[in-house]
Amino acid sequence: DTEVTQTPKHLVMGMTNKKSLKCEQHMGHRAMYWYKQKAKKPPELMFVYSYEKLSINESVPSRFSPECPNSSLLNLHLHALQPEDSALYLCASSQAVAGRETQYFGPGTRLLVL
Amino acid sequence: DAKTTQPPSMDCAEGRAANLPCNHSTISGNEYVYWYRQIHSQGPQYIIHGLKNNETNEMASLIITEDRKSSTLILPHATLRDTAVYYCIVRVAGSGGSNYKLTFGKGTLLTVNP
Repeated sequence: DTEVTQTPKHLVMGMTNKKSLKCEQHMGHRAMYWYKQKAKKPPELMFVYSYEKLSINESVPSRFSPECPNSSLLNLHLHALQPEDSALYLCASSQAVAGRETQYFGPGTRLLVL
Repeated sequence: DAKTTQPPSMDCAEGRAANLPCNHSTISGNEYVYWYRQIHSQGPQYIIHGLKNNETNEMASLIITEDRKSSTLILPHATLRDTAVYYCIVRVAGSGGSNYKLTFGKGTLLTVNP
């Protein structure tokens, strides 16, 4: 099973709302990632978790707050977002945080901020 | 990570082989060549990777030139479902530095025509 699942598939939220994106994998991977992809652009890394600890934050604004409750789950909490944060948010996982490790991506959550 | 250069778009007839080139003239000896693809509105999908030798799996073949400065991804019998953006990425294999992330370029939009 090489599946990464993400919920919800689509999300519309206002700038004052608080929402969360969820990601799950059951491949026993110990590294999990959040990427952001704007329309017609390539994905860009936001956060990396290794063994359930945040190891990389690519200078992401604090209105995005990641959480890794256990080795299978990854959340992205959203608060006070701006319309320019509208994008496809992709979750990925890999065996470990290393260049030789293949990252497996979920289908993404398409977020629209009004 | 070394930079890669890919043509922005290519067309291929259904049932024919699709050959996608990638130039990575500044690649280092410890850097792997990875290929991912992204079908419209889906998450990126791992295809194949290699270091020096040509590689083949159930999805594609990867041909790396002897000087490793360029490579070609071959889809032997392209189908309409292979229409996607194909990303060529160069990554160091170790666990240090920025090896944790996939740095996506602009990729090649392959359109398979009936």
